[in-house]
Amino acid sequence: NAGVTQTPKFRVLKTGQSMTLLCAQDMNHEYMYWYRQDPGMGLRLIHYSVGEGTTAKGEVPDGYNVSRLKKQNFLLGLESAAPSQTSVYFCASSNELAGVFDEQFFGPGTRLTVL
Amino acid sequence: QKEVEQDPGPLSVPEGAIVSLNCTYSNSAFQYFMWYRQYSRKGPELLMYTYSSGNKEDGRFTAQVDKSSKYISLFIRDSQPSDSATYLCAMSADTDKLIFGTGTRLQVFP
Repeated sequence: NAGVTQTPKFRVLKTGQSMTLLCAQDMNHEYMYWYRQDPGMGLRLIHYSVGEGTTAKGEVPDGYNVSRLKKQNFLLGLESAAPSQTSVYFCASSNELAGVFDEQFFGPGTRLTVL
Repeated sequence: QKEVEQDPGPLSVPEGAIVSLNCTYSNSAFQYFMWYRQYSRKGPELLMYTYSSGNKEDGRFTAQVDKSSKYISLFIRDSQPSDSATYLCAMSADTDKLIFGTGTRLQVFP
């Protein structure tokens, strides 16, 4: 099993460009998450999904959109990139049952620089 | 004020030392407490998980939760150079959304 994979690993964008980050998991998990990690800020939740076809906003959703058309994939889109979106982006997945904690498994991250 | 506060370090200790990492929090509804370890340029991985108050031990690692003081700790005994990483505390009031600390960078030198 590959676990959680992210594509691409690195990307440099110019201000105003758009891009899509792809997250894939092969663990049949229901829940998927997108985080960004910045120095001094820790991991912050951007958007998440509790199942195929669902999405919800996290702590810092502005400037991002997401889609979960297939259970195994969770896409993060930047429609018009800004330098403030320079960050390391992590995808995670988990299979949480109601009232039961389950581990979030993280991907290796995507390093994005917006010039 | 952040919901979860964590000293960013760096913390530098000699091999074999006992390491204490801590987080404080403000939300009394938190009941799930986790420690994640993140090696450089890698994703975080779950190290320890505790529900509500109390201690949990796993090998050289001990996690403590004091809900009355809103304070959690991770102790590493007999620290090794391979323990050099960033340690993130995380907590949740329910079972889906986690709130992370900023992480403490630990370096264990031989």
